[in-house]
Amino acid sequence: EAGVTQFPSHSVIEKGQTVTLRCDPISGHDNLYWYRRVMGKEIKFLLHFVKESKQDESGMPNNRFLAERTGGTYSTLKVQPAELEDSGVYFCASSKNSYEQYFGPGTRLTVT
Amino acid sequence: QKEVEQDPGPLSVPEGAIVSLNCTYSNSAFQYFMWYRQYSRKGPELLMYTYSSGNKEDGRFTAQVDKSSKYISLFIRDSQPSDSATYLCAMKNSNYQLIWGAGTKLIIKP
Repeated sequence: EAGVTQFPSHSVIEKGQTVTLRCDPISGHDNLYWYRRVMGKEIKFLLHFVKESKQDESGMPNNRFLAERTGGTYSTLKVQPAELEDSGVYFCASSKNSYEQYFGPGTRLTVT
Repeated sequence: QKEVEQDPGPLSVPEGAIVSLNCTYSNSAFQYFMWYRQYSRKGPELLMYTYSSGNKEDGRFTAQVDKSSKYISLFIRDSQPSDSATYLCAMKNSNYQLIWGAGTKLIIKP
């Protein structure tokens, strides 16, 4: 069984540019989560999809972040325009239930 | 004040030693407690989860929750160099969000 995959593994962009991160969950997992870890800080919850619906997006930092999950399969997280403080590692996780979340390797975003 | 406190380490122990990793928390509403292991450049991997107070054992790993003290622990017996990683505790809040500790870097010396 393939695990959670994320693309790209690393992205370097300039302030003001747009970046789109992609997450492919484990097949059959209706729950999909986005998290972020800023350097020196704890992992923080961003949002939770159940199928294509946003169950909880209370962790999204501001309206420069837009997450979608069309068709309830893969998800994208777009940052537009990117700011320096958006740098960090963005993790995606998926689960069948709410307990066992399986994480992808993360996308390391560097905004210069 | 952080909701979950975890010493970032590093914690260095010789191979074969018993390792004790700990987290404290402030929110008494937390019910589910998880331990994740993260290797460098990888995503967190769920090791164990427990519900409410008590112990749970899985092979060389034992998770312990003491809700009265708001304290959780992960014990690793017969530690191996392959156990070297960052160990993160996480807890579910009333909105079912995971609240994370900072992670403890563990080094097992051969």
